Amino acid sequence: NAGVTQTPKFRVLKTGQSMTLLCAQDMNHEYMYWYRQDPGMGLRLIHYSVGEGTTAKGEVPDGYNVSRLKKQNFLLGLESAAPSQTSVYFCASSWFSGANVLTFGAGSRLTVL
Amino acid sequence: AQSVTQLGSHVSVSEGALVLLRCNYSSSVPPYLFWYVQYPNQGLQLLLKYTSAATLVKGINDFEAEFKKSETSFHLTKPSAHMSDAAEYFCAVSETSGSRLTFGEGTQLTVNP
Repeated sequence: NAGVTQTPKFRVLKTGQSMTLLCAQDMNHEYMYWYRQDPGMGLRLIHYSVGEGTTAKGEVPDGYNVSRLKKQNFLLGLESAAPSQTSVYFCASSWFSGANVLTFGAGSRLTVL
Repeated sequence: AQSVTQLGSHVSVSEGALVLLRCNYSSSVPPYLFWYVQYPNQGLQLLLKYTSAATLVKGINDFEAEFKKSETSFHLTKPSAHMSDAAEYFCAVSETSGSRLTFGEGTQLTVNP
């Protein structure tokens, strides 16, 4: 089925290690987003992109970097993982923002020890 | 600035009972409003959205929500709960066609047999 695919689904890191989460969408959406979900805090936007080659900060960008070299892919990087980054990460995409519906991936569960 | 408050982080109902999940928003302009549902170990899916056409919005699986400007509310209801409705529900707001979604903290719905 068409949609948003996230890899990996699970990952365990040690403090200080680096990793990259990959998000791929096949709907030709312009906008892509990375959220983190923590208990009792809903979804918080980390970074987003409004088109190929663009990125912008969301509400909780510290400790993360992103890149959107191709329209269909949006990468989320952790350069030096910290236990506070233990979370479930969701990628989403949409045609545009505002009234447009987001399509979400299934999530990537990251644990930092 | 836009914000969303979901009253009640946990709601428990009996199968066949009315479901009422509360959402209040803050917005300086007429907003776009959404309800998303997250089933266990899955990403979020759209239930319904309000974009100023009709104040009573019908969504999937017999859910509906009513936009009440005077109360700044967008509560989600379903006449008769099914066991399969057990999930986490998120209300979200976007102020304009160019702004990003802000999510509420989520409400976990439990349906008891």
